[in-house]
Amino acid sequence: KQEVTQIPAALSVPEGENLVLNCSFTDSAIYNLQWFRQDPGKGLTSLLLIQSSQREQTSGRLNASLDKSSGRSTLYIAASQPGDSATYLCAVNFGNEKLTFGTGTRLTIIP
Amino acid sequence: ETGVTQSPTHLIKTRGQQVTLRCSSQSGHNTVSWYQQALGQGPQFIFQYYREEENGRGNFPPRFSGLQFPNYSSELNVNALELDDSALYLCASSPRTGMNTEAFFGQGTRLTVV
Repeated sequence: KQEVTQIPAALSVPEGENLVLNCSFTDSAIYNLQWFRQDPGKGLTSLLLIQSSQREQTSGRLNASLDKSSGRSTLYIAASQPGDSATYLCAVNFGNEKLTFGTGTRLTIIP
Repeated sequence: ETGVTQSPTHLIKTRGQQVTLRCSSQSGHNTVSWYQQALGQGPQFIFQYYREEENGRGNFPPRFSGLQFPNYSSELNVNALELDDSALYLCASSPRTGMNTEAFFGQGTRLTVV
C-alpha cells in the first residue's frame, strides 16, 4: 500500500532557528513530491515541487530534498519567522492520477 | 491570471440532503481533482476529471459524483449526506493530467452536515 507519513505531528521552534520537517513514503517509484502549507481552515498553498529526477528544490528560505532510495523528503526552513506557523503537508504522486498526502506537521514559531 | 476558486466557502446541510460544490480551475488548466479533508487529517482523493471525463477515482461511494464542463470548471455532488461527510472539500487544478504536473489548490468549501 502506498502511504505517506509525516513525523512529528507537531513542532514548536523559537523564532530565528532553522528547522527540518520530515516526510517518508513507502514506494520509491514516485513521479514527484509536493510540499504544501495550510493555514487553519484554509486551502493548500504549493511551496515546492520536486520531480523524481531531482534531488532538491529551493525557493527563498525553503529547501526541499528528495531521496527516493530511502523513501524520504525533507523541507528545510531557514531563519524561521512567526508567519511560518502553519501545517505543512507532504504529498506524493505515485503515478496513479492522484496525490497521496501525509497527515501534516503543525509548526508553531515562538516569537 | 486567476487561481483556483471554489464556492461556496461554507455550507451547512442536514443529513440526507444533497449538496453541490463548485470549482473554477486556474486559467489554462484542463484537469481538476477533488479531495476531502477531515479535521486533523491529510486530504483524501475523491476523483479527477480530465477534458470532461472521469480520470481516476478514490475509495468513495457512488453518492459522490462529479462533472467537468467545457470551460474545465467542475462540480462535486454528494447525495444522501451523512454526518461523516462533514469536512473541508478541496479542488485542485493542473495544466494537464499525467505524472509530472504541479497541483494548485483552491481555498476549499467547509461542509457541515447536521
